Amino acid sequence: EVQLEESGGGLVQPGGSLRLSCTASGFIFSSYSMNWVRQAPGKGLEWVSYISDSSSSSTIIYYADSVKGRFTISRDKAKNSLYLQMDSLRAEDTAVYYCARGEDSYGSGTYRSWFDPWGQGTLVTVSS
Amino acid sequence: EIVMTQSPATLSVSPGERATLSCRASQSVRSNLAWYRQKPGQAPRLLIYGATTRATGIPARFSGSGSGTEFTLTISSLQSEDFAVYYCQQYDDWPPYTFGQGTKLEIK
Repeated sequence: EVQLEESGGGLVQPGGSLRLSCTASGFIFSSYSMNWVRQAPGKGLEWVSYISDSSSSSTIIYYADSVKGRFTISRDKAKNSLYLQMDSLRAEDTAVYYCARGEDSYGSGTYRSWFDPWGQGTLVTVSS
Repeated sequence: EIVMTQSPATLSVSPGERATLSCRASQSVRSNLAWYRQKPGQAPRLLIYGATTRATGIPARFSGSGSGTEFTLTISSLQSEDFAVYYCQQYDDWPPYTFGQGTKLEIK
């Protein structure tokens, strides 16, 4: 069974740091792109970051403007794990953070992804 | 950035009836559109990708239509588990991937 399990959430003060992890099982982790998506309490979904699969020598990474320069996405092929290092946290970063596998389609010279499956999420609360 | 707009914000429908949810893109996304269902307290689950293709394990009562800027998710006969929030997502022009604000489907 394909599964994703997040961990590492918790309460952190503004300006603090937190590292989220997402452990994958049931599929060849290195063959898939991965994403982080967040959901503020009572709000909709916001894509946060993307990392390409491990099949090529170069890794492609993207961030939403709202987290660029503060968050860092990475992956460890040997541990089947995805990470999100979150620094300089703000109150508006409070959300449930989901990891989601990218299902890539290729066309017009680029890859595009929908997300399937998603992990159960981990709550990050930024508050003093 | 492509803005996705869903309507209505809330839809009240009786069990067994048909529900029609709409999603509009601020510019063409061709057929690069997905739909997700999110039950309370759970993660989103993929329903439809490529605007019309049902994901694995998704029952036939779910159907997607549209291309370009106008899309529809139709649930032909509502079951209890279908009362949830639904999101559309465009994956044509990215980054960023963008989602609609959601439609809450509630029991009438």
